[in-house]
Formats: sequence, structure tokens, C-alpha cells
Amino acid sequence: NAGVMQNPRHLVRRRGQEARLRCSPMKGHSHVYWYRQLPEEGLKFMVYLQKENIIDESGMPKERFSAEFPKEGPSILRIQQVVRGDSAAYFCASSPLIGGAFFGQGTRLTVV
Amino acid sequence: GQQVMQIPQYQHVQEGEDFTTYCNSSTTLSNIQWYKQRPGGHPVFLIQLVKSGEVKKQKRLTFQFGEAKKNSSLHITATQTTDVGTYFCAGELAGANSKLTFGKGITLSVRP
Repeated sequence: NAGVMQNPRHLVRRRGQEARLRCSPMKGHSHVYWYRQLPEEGLKFMVYLQKENIIDESGMPKERFSAEFPKEGPSILRIQQVVRGDSAAYFCASSPLIGGAFFGQGTRLTVV
Repeated sequence: GQQVMQIPQYQHVQEGEDFTTYCNSSTTLSNIQWYKQRPGGHPVFLIQLVKSGEVKKQKRLTFQFGEAKKNSSLHITATQTTDVGTYFCAGELAGANSKLTFGKGITLSVRP
């Protein structure tokens, strides 16, 4: 059973470009979380999704950021028109209905 | 909104010393979880506590959930250099669509 898979592991984008981060949850997990982490800081909640539904997006900036978890395929976190301040590690975690969350290895986004 | 607090943010101990850290929630939790993140790595699920007053042990690590289900502690006996990392607690409220809220974590360094 493969763990949570995130790709790419590293992503470099120029200011103004779009960043698409992918997350394939563990098999059988129906819940996906996205978190953002700056160096030596904690995990900042962004969005919580179930298949085809956004459950809680209270941590997501209102502009430029969007997330989806379609019926088929990975969850996508999309950042449009990236700015330098978007540079961070973005972690995806999946969990079953009951139990702990399992994290992917993260995508390190660098905006140049 | 729900807040999960971990103070202090950093702690340094001598190898062999015991270490205890605490996690406090502003609201009563359904369960609390602990994660460990090594430098440069991703958070790894350690344990979940569900019952009031619950105590669980993993080798030298002891986790406790408070009676009121609003706080938790992690105790490490005789720390080793392999214990280095950031320990996060994460709380979940009752309800099917409750998100996992992380504390800012405590970064433990161990002097050999």
C-alpha cells in the first residue's frame, strides 16, 4: 500500500506563473488536507476536502488559490499568478474516516 | 475559532534527560494526535488519543490526554539524539467534518 504521494517534490516558478501541486491519497482514504509550512514554522491549515467536496477552506487565501479532489484522480492545489510570498513547503495529508493523518513528502515551491 | 497551543517553541536537553511538553486546546476535543517531523522531512503520525485521561506508551514516549479532553502531554524518558525533531500535536473536534488543527510544534534538540 503506497503512502501519500505528492508531486512534484520541488517546483520552481517565476512570479506570475501558475503552480499545480498534486496529491494522491493512500488507498481507502477519503479525506485530504493541504497544509503550508514556512521554514522553522508550524503547519498552517489551508483546506480540507473529501471526494468532490470542499469541507473547509477557511485557511485558503480568497484569491489565487484553489483546491479540488475529483472523483477520479489526485487532489490538486492550484496557485495562480504566484508571488514570492507563496514560496513554502506544501504538505498534503490523507486520513480514513477515523484515525490519524498520513502526510506526503511535500512539494517545495520556490518562486523566483 | 479552534486554537491548539504548544509552548515553548524550542527546547534543548542533554542526552539522557527526560523531556515533557504540553499541548492545550481552547475547546474540548474529540481526539488529539501527535506527530513528529525530522529536519527536512514530513510530519509522521505517532499516536491518537481518544478517551478522557487516556495514557499510551510507545517505547520511551508516553502520551496522555487530559480528563477534560482539552490538553495533552508527551513525555520522553532518557532522550536520545534520535529524538531530535519537531513534535506537533493536532486536535480534532467532534463531528464528521471537523478538520485537524495543528499546534505550532516544539522543536527538540538533544546535546550528545
